[in-house]
Amino acid sequence: DAGVIQSPRHEVTEMGQEVTLRCKPISGHNSLFWYRQTMMRGLELLIYFNNNVPIDDSGMPEDRFSAKMPNASFSTLKIQPSEPRDSAVYFCASTPGQMNTEAFFGQGTRLTVV
Amino acid sequence: GIQVEQSPPDLILQEGANSTLRCNFSDSVNNLQWFHQNPWGQLINLFYIPSGTKQNGRLSATTVATERYSLLYISSSQTTDSGVYFCAVDNYGQNFVFGPGTRLSVLP
Repeated sequence: DAGVIQSPRHEVTEMGQEVTLRCKPISGHNSLFWYRQTMMRGLELLIYFNNNVPIDDSGMPEDRFSAKMPNASFSTLKIQPSEPRDSAVYFCASTPGQMNTEAFFGQGTRLTVV
Repeated sequence: GIQVEQSPPDLILQEGANSTLRCNFSDSVNNLQWFHQNPWGQLINLFYIPSGTKQNGRLSATTVATERYSLLYISSSQTTDSGVYFCAVDNYGQNFVFGPGTRLSVLP
């Protein structure tokens, strides 16, 4: 398996634009997580899905952020409209399931909003 | 929610030295992992160790779940060990929380 795949690796956008980050979890994994990493706040959990259903989105900063998981092999994190303070590295991770919760991370998307 | 602390926050070693990194957590957990974030930002799984002891080459880890701590041992450190080491815990599916990390610099 190629591991968790995220795209794009880097994104530079202007303030006010819509940004969509994509994630393909490891095949067969049941849970998917979106994290944001900044110098000030470290690694923060934004949202996680179990069997494609959002379980906890309490970490989503505000209504400008939304996440979907239309099927077991794909998830998106959307920011609309983007702001400079959204600049960070966004990671996606997946785990096999409840009996084995070892998490595997993608390489991240570095987002810069200017 | 569960709190995760790591110590020391920063560590500078000479190549060849040994070190111990510590992770304390405030509640019972069903999963604990150690990650290494390399200078390119990639998060690399080191150990999945909710309890007990594991070894992988120069690295080993021990988790004492009843006392709510885990230790990561690095022996004969190399410059490629530099980066940030994170401990993360799963509080029975309620969350997967990262500690603040230990930044390790290994000097040649």
